[in-house]
Amino acid sequence: GQNIDQPTEMTATEGAIVQINCTYQTSGFNGLFWYQQHAGEAPTFLSYNVLDGLEEKGRFSSFLSRSKGYSYLLLKELQMKDSASYLCAVVNTNAGKSTFGDGTTLTVKP
Amino acid sequence: NAGVTQTPKFHILKIGQSMTLQCTQDMNHNYMYWYRQDPGMGLKLIYYSVGAGITDKGEVPNGYNVSRSTTEDFPLRLELAAPSQTSVYFCASSYGTAGEETQYFGPGTRLLVL
Repeated sequence: GQNIDQPTEMTATEGAIVQINCTYQTSGFNGLFWYQQHAGEAPTFLSYNVLDGLEEKGRFSSFLSRSKGYSYLLLKELQMKDSASYLCAVVNTNAGKSTFGDGTTLTVKP
Repeated sequence: NAGVTQTPKFHILKIGQSMTLQCTQDMNHNYMYWYRQDPGMGLKLIYYSVGAGITDKGEVPNGYNVSRSTTEDFPLRLELAAPSQTSVYFCASSYGTAGEETQYFGPGTRLLVL
């Protein structure tokens, strides 16, 4: 089975940096996704990590440590529009299946 | 290119009724998925398909059925609806193997069972 843990809620200030953590336990690991979901909308892709290390994409970066079962999403220069839920999803070795965490709701305040 | 489309956007169903949620994608993706999302929770996989004619159960399949007669369509059938099936249902698709590719989500169907 799989167990994925993320903080339920986080609050940060506009212009600041925030790190959202995700820890997982899985019987087979084949990669980790981060998705962003605004209230009332569908999730949209942010990043995908399969190898250890940091992947940077503009204001967003994602880090993975396979040995520690740990990932984080780093958001820099926060904007009000970054207020959303951030979902961590672990891909297991069964083809085509991802397991999602419950998401972290980020509120960005002025 | 419409991506993933879902109908209806919203529906109220009476306990014991049945209905089909429609999902269509025009990206020629092999993989398609149905998730449900309860308030404040993540996505739970109901069923998925790795290609036309092939479907498999996810984490929470009870009370649902699917079929995949074409690459484009992946309808979700609810039989004998129960209040516990009140949720937002998302359909998604991806191209690559082993779930390594990005999933593209439809806008969701909000279902209320009363």
